[in-house]
Order: sequence, then structure tokens, then C-alpha cells
Amino acid sequence: KQEVTQIPAALSVPEGENLVLNCSFTDSAIYNLQWFRQDPGKGLTSLLLIQSSQREQTSGRLNASLDKSSGRSTLYIAASQPGDSATYLCAVVDNNTDKLIFGTGTRLQVFP
Amino acid sequence: SAVISQKPSRDICQRGTSLTIQCQVDSQVTMMFWYRQQPGQSLTLIATANQGSEATYESGFVIDKFPISRPNLTFSTLTVSNMSPEDSSIYLCSVVKTSGAIHTFGSGTRLTVV
Repeated sequence: KQEVTQIPAALSVPEGENLVLNCSFTDSAIYNLQWFRQDPGKGLTSLLLIQSSQREQTSGRLNASLDKSSGRSTLYIAASQPGDSATYLCAVVDNNTDKLIFGTGTRLQVFP
Repeated sequence: SAVISQKPSRDICQRGTSLTIQCQVDSQVTMMFWYRQQPGQSLTLIATANQGSEATYESGFVIDKFPISRPNLTFSTLTVSNMSPEDSSIYLCSVVKTSGAIHTFGSGTRLTVV
């Protein structure tokens, strides 16, 4: 059974820092991996999708990498801002069913 | 990506009653899913909504408690039946246009059962 873990569970940093959020999964047979952002009490916003054949994806200040063989993905946030404060979730897509299996989340707070 | 309208955005319900949540998509999609997010937790998949047939439920979720309809490729409903305070959660629908594509989520329904 696929299990997805995120480290750290919570992170509080001053504005301007570069951040790395970690995601690990136990079964490397994934279709792809997606990173989401969730603001308190809100739905999920998709940030990046990495196909299983890709190594990384970039969008603005965000860069996500994928190492399928070792079961790891990282989300790199450059020059963090208070507006980046949210919970970040990674999710792997099952090879056969397209179902998302979510990680435990990292709650990020960026203070001015 | 698809645009989803999920209604209601929030509700406070009496125990023992039922609530139906709607998920409307602006274009046809291959797959629709329903998730639950309990307070302080990550998301758990309830079921896959199948167009024109019974939904496929995950372990721990049953049709009598969470009946789901999907009459066409753009619309689905989730009903939370005979509610108890333990059902207080955020319920979210998500869609995928084609296999392997981005999963897009609705804004969620925050349910409080009193």
C-alpha cells in the first residue's frame, strides 16, 4: 500500500529565505506526482505536476524535482514571501487508477 | 484546466439529517473524485464517481452513508447521510480531464454537524 510522507510537518521562516519541502513515497510505481497549496479553510490549488518520466518542473519561484527510484520529491521555494504561507501537499497518482494519494502536508509560515 | 463550481461552500446541519453537495464542471472530464478532509488532517479519497453507474468506494466508505451520483460527464453529487458530529469535515470534489493530467479541485464544502 502506497504511503506518502512529508517533512517537515511545519516550518516558520523569515521572508526572503529559500525553502525546501520534502515528500517521500513507498511505491515507485507512480503515474505522476502533483504539488498543491491549500490556504486555511479553502480548496486546493495545483502548483506543479511532474510526470513519472520527468526529473523536474518549474513555475516562477517554484521548482519541483522527482527521483522516482528513491521515492522522493522536493519542492523548492525561492525568496519566500508572506503570501507563500499555506499548507503544501504532495500527492502521487496511482499507475492504474489515476487516484491521488496525499502526503501528510507541510504547514508553512513566512513572517515579514 | 477545468473550472469547478462546488456548492454549498459551507453548511451547519443537525445530526440525523442529510446534506447533498454538488460539483459542476465547465467542460467534460474523464474522472471525478470525492475526498474528505477531517480537521487538521490531509485528504482521504471517499470514492470515484462513475458516469452512469455506481461509484467505486474506498475501504471504510459505504454507499449507504455516502451515496454518489454522476449522471453525465460534467456533474456529480455527494450526499452525506444520517450525519453525526464525526462527519464534520471539508468535502472536496476533483476532476481529471484525461488520464495522467492535472487533478483540479473544487473550493470545498465545510460541513459542521451539531
